[in-house]
Amino acid sequence: GNSVTQMEGPVTLSEEAFLTINCTYTATGYPSLFWYVQYPGEGLQLLLKATKADDKGSNKGFEATYRKETTSFHLEKGSVQVSDSAVYFCATGFQKLVFGTGTRLLVSP
Amino acid sequence: DVKVTQSSRYLVKRTGEKVFLECVQDMDHENMFWYRQDPGLGLRLIYFSYDVKMKEKGDIPEGYSVSREKKERFSLILESASTNQTSMYLCASRATSGSSHEQYFGPGTRLTVT
Repeated sequence: GNSVTQMEGPVTLSEEAFLTINCTYTATGYPSLFWYVQYPGEGLQLLLKATKADDKGSNKGFEATYRKETTSFHLEKGSVQVSDSAVYFCATGFQKLVFGTGTRLLVSP
Repeated sequence: DVKVTQSSRYLVKRTGEKVFLECVQDMDHENMFWYRQDPGLGLRLIYFSYDVKMKEKGDIPEGYSVSREKKERFSLILESASTNQTSMYLCASRATSGSSHEQYFGPGTRLTVT
C-alpha cells in the first residue's frame, strides 16, 4: 500500500529563515499529494495539494512540487513567520489518505 | 466553506463506559472518516464510510464501531472504553466528485479514559 515518510522534528527556525520539510512517498499509480497543517488545539487544515506529476501546489507563501522521479513532495517557504509554528503533515492517496507522522515547526522571533 | 463539526472538544470517561463521538458535515459529502492521532504515530484510520449505511474498517478498528444513518452524520462508538483509547479523535469528510481527493477535518475531540 501507499506510505509517506517525512522528516522528524522539531524544526526550529528564526523568523524570516528559509524552510524545507522533506516528504517522500511510495504509491501504486499516481495519487494526489497533500500538505496539511495543524495549529495548536485544532484539527487539520489543507495547506496545499498537487494532483499530478510536476504540479506545484502553493498557498500562504508555502510551495511543494509533485516529483515523480524522486517520489517527493517537499514543503518550502522562503521566509517563515512566528505564526507558521504548527505541525505539518504530508499525505497521499486516492479515496483514503495515508499520512506521515507530522513535523513540528517552531519559529522564534 | 465546508464545515465539519464534532460534538465535543474534550471528553473524560471511565474505563468500561460506552462512548459516542459524533461528527456532522454540511457539504453533502459522500465519504466520511474517523482517525485517531497519537504522538509519533501521526493519523491512523479507524473506520471509513463510503455513503449512508456503508462502512469499511480502517487500519485500527479493534474496540470501535461506527454508525452512518444519515449522510451528514458519522458516529464513532467505543463499546467499552479502555485507557489505551485515550487519544485525539479526528473526523473528516470528502466529496467523491472532482479529482483532488482532499479531506476536510473537524476540530477534533480529545478523549481521556480514566
